[in-house]
Amino acid sequence: EVQLLESGGGLVRPGGSLRLSCAASGFTFGSNAMSWVRQAPGKGLKWVSSISESGISAYSADSVKGRFTISRDNSKNTLYLQMNNLRAEDTAIYYCAKDEVGTSLFHFWGQGTLVTVSS
Amino acid sequence: QPVLTQSPSASASLGASVKLTCTLSRGHSSYVIAWHQQQPEKGPRYLMKFNSDGSHTKGDGIPDRFSGSSSGAERYLTISSLQSEDEADYYCQTWGTGTVVFGGGTKLTVL
Repeated sequence: EVQLLESGGGLVRPGGSLRLSCAASGFTFGSNAMSWVRQAPGKGLKWVSSISESGISAYSADSVKGRFTISRDNSKNTLYLQMNNLRAEDTAIYYCAKDEVGTSLFHFWGQGTLVTVSS
Repeated sequence: QPVLTQSPSASASLGASVKLTCTLSRGHSSYVIAWHQQQPEKGPRYLMKFNSDGSHTKGDGIPDRFSGSSSGAERYLTISSLQSEDEADYYCQTWGTGTVVFGGGTKLTVL
């Protein structure tokens, strides 16, 4: 059974940093690209960042470029999102998603972790 | 880059059918898209994807009540025999060069 379990969310002050993790199981982690998607309170889904199967290539939304870094450790079956210089508008539930092989469609989702940026 | 347009809301009665629409922007009518369901207070769930040849493939465990069709730049998600648990937000999704795109979502109310 495929499982994606996010962790690392919490309350952080503006300008602060946080690292999210997504522990994957139930599939061959290194065979799929992975992504982060967020959802601000009461709003829709917004893509944040994606990383290739090997981790060699990654791309991010303009709103987080230069502040957020996606990475992965295939030996630990874990996806990460390092978030620096956080802003109030980064407040959201952050979801980890498994990309379908050969596409950037999200085939499976985690349950999310809440990040709140507030002073 | 593609843009996906969805109506903000839809409603239908318990036991009835409803058809939700996702429209691809001009020049992107052949793009592959996916539909996702998000029930209240839950994470999203993948429902199905539409291939460029018009066929669609459902995710594991998705009931037969959920079906898909397409016409030109429009992709449809039809839910028949509506149940209370179908009350949710529905999002379509696609991707372009260096980006992933979601529609704004349709909030389905089951009356």
